[in-house]
Amino acid sequence: DAGVIQSPRHEVTEMGQEVTLRCKPISGHDYLFWYRQTMMRGLELLIYFNNNVPIDDSGMPEDRFSAKMPNASFSTLKIQPSEPRDSAVYFCASRGPDPGAPREQFFGPGTRLTVL
Amino acid sequence: GENVEQHPSTLSVQEGDSAVIKCTYSDSASNYFPWYKQELGKRPQLIIDIRSNVGEKKDQRIAVTLNKTAKHFSLHITETQPEDSAVYFCAATWGTGTASKLTFGTGTRLQVTL
Repeated sequence: DAGVIQSPRHEVTEMGQEVTLRCKPISGHDYLFWYRQTMMRGLELLIYFNNNVPIDDSGMPEDRFSAKMPNASFSTLKIQPSEPRDSAVYFCASRGPDPGAPREQFFGPGTRLTVL
Repeated sequence: GENVEQHPSTLSVQEGDSAVIKCTYSDSASNYFPWYKQELGKRPQLIIDIRSNVGEKKDQRIAVTLNKTAKHFSLHITETQPEDSAVYFCAATWGTGTASKLTFGTGTRLQVTL
């Protein structure tokens, strides 16, 4: 398996623009997590899905952020409109199903977002 | 919700020495405690984990201990090598299923000097 795939790897945009980050989880994994990492706030969970259904979105900073998972192999995180304080590395992670699967989360390579 | 505190924030050791990173958690129901290593510019990767029914687990030069009564767990790295230099994160969770989210500590930057 290729592991968790994220695109793009780097994104530079201007304030006010829409940004869409993409994630493909490991095949067979039914949990998908979106994280944001900054020096100031560390690694924050934004939202996670189980079987394509959002379970906990309490970490989504505000209405400018939205996430979808239309099928088991694809998820998007959208920021509209983007602001400079959204600059961060965004990680997607996936995990195998309960019960019995290891609870390890496998992280993707991340998307480094810069909002000018 | 769960709160995880991690210390120290930075740690510098000489090659060959041991390194210890400590974490405390708040939710006594937590039962799974993984440790992730993140090298510069890379993704976090699991290096070891422990469940609440175990007090200690070892994998070569890495060991993790858990004290459920005191609600703290620690990562021990022996015979440190330059390639151990990275940021280490502890995490905790109590749930499976729809309570699967991990709460991460703030990270420890370990530098192993020659």
